[in-house]
Amino acid sequence: QVQLVQSGAEVKKPGASVKVSCKASGYTFTGYYLHWVRQAPGQGLEWMGRINPNSGGTNYAQKFQGRVTMTRDTSINTAYMELSRLRSDDTAVYYCARGIGSAWGIFDYWGQGTLVTVSS
Amino acid sequence: EIVLTQSPGTLSLSPGERATLSCRASQSVSSSYLAWYQQKPGQAPRLLIYGASSRATGIPDRFSGSGSGTDFTLTISRLEPEDFAVYYCQQYGSSPTFGGGTKVEIK
Repeated sequence: QVQLVQSGAEVKKPGASVKVSCKASGYTFTGYYLHWVRQAPGQGLEWMGRINPNSGGTNYAQKFQGRVTMTRDTSINTAYMELSRLRSDDTAVYYCARGIGSAWGIFDYWGQGTLVTVSS
Repeated sequence: EIVLTQSPGTLSLSPGERATLSCRASQSVSSSYLAWYQQKPGQAPRLLIYGASSRATGIPDRFSGSGSGTDFTLTISRLEPEDFAVYYCQQYGSSPTFGGGTKVEIK
């Protein structure tokens, strides 16, 4: 069965960076885009970007351009999202999600989420 | 960027009642690339509807989607206890964006 398993919770200071991992299993990792979506406490969902695990090509939401880097390691079916220059308003649950379908894609399987807390 | 506005913010209904949720886009969503998700507290979102009206695998037929262009609707024909949750619309015809969500709560 398809599973996306993310790394554990992180606490970071403002200005630091965080790197969250997402390990895929149960499907061909290189066959589907992997997206990152975040959710601040009590707030809605915000798309951050996606990576093509086959080519490594990425697309980032304009809001995160210059601060986010998405990478992957096909040898271990794992994708990574690194966010730099963290601010308090980056405190959120970060999800990875598999993208399917047409255009920019919909998200049929999600990771369990990783809570990133930014606090001095 | 396409902005999605969901209404109402909160819907208070009883089990067995019909729920009608609205999602309005700031510009036309190409080819009805509009999806709906359900999210319960502490859980990741769950895909319900894609292509404005197609149910995802395993989704009960009490959930239905409709609309095109800039106006979309999610209807839950008869609310079951497990349907009380937050619902989000998402467009994927361009760089994805989500609506702010509608909470369906027990009256």
